[in-house]
Amino acid sequence: GAGVSQSPSNKVTEKGKDVELRCDPISGHTALYWYRQSLGQGLEFLIYFQGNSAPDKSGLPSDRFSAERTGGSVSTLTIQRTQQEDSAVYLCASSFGSNQPQHFGDGTRLSIL
Amino acid sequence: GESVGLHLPTLSVQEGDNSIINCAYSNSASDYFIWYKQESGKGPQFIIDIRSNMDKRQGQRVTVLLNKTVKHLSLQIAATQPGDSAVYFCAEKDLTGNQFYFGTGTSLTVIP
Repeated sequence: GAGVSQSPSNKVTEKGKDVELRCDPISGHTALYWYRQSLGQGLEFLIYFQGNSAPDKSGLPSDRFSAERTGGSVSTLTIQRTQQEDSAVYLCASSFGSNQPQHFGDGTRLSIL
Repeated sequence: GESVGLHLPTLSVQEGDNSIINCAYSNSASDYFIWYKQESGKGPQFIIDIRSNMDKRQGQRVTVLLNKTVKHLSLQIAATQPGDSAVYFCAEKDLTGNQFYFGTGTSLTVIP
């Protein structure tokens, strides 16, 4: 499809396990963002990629969180040793640049038991 | 730190009426603003944006107003329809930064 694609759409895992969330941005978009959205809350910035520049990781809540973007396209957000407070919807967005409208995927709903 | 807030967490309007959703921001350096619509189980959907060199911008049935003096943003929806029921977020950033800052959202319910 033409939009941002995220997988899986839902993920249930046990506390302490590692999870990987995937984002396929819109083709040609150089900027990619990850956000976290807790129930009834706004979006919490996690990390930003722009082209080949070093990512802005200032929003990552702990060193258990990491992300990479391979070949300037697909991105993976990894959460190690998951905790119950990591339960949230993780949203990915892409755009033509940091000062352009972001287009969001439908997110991955992560539940930690 | 940054803060983007909404005056009302919920708003109910009759179908056909106009809706106004408000947003306050605190960073006077912010110069790019976006309104998003989020339906249940979906990601935010871009509605309209405005840059600080403008104070009004219109789209299809929507108008965004920006008052930089009081750091206030509003979204007006004309002839509100049941399909407009959703949570609406404003987001702001300054052009030199990477981050958008999002408010907690206003839930709009359209009464048929």
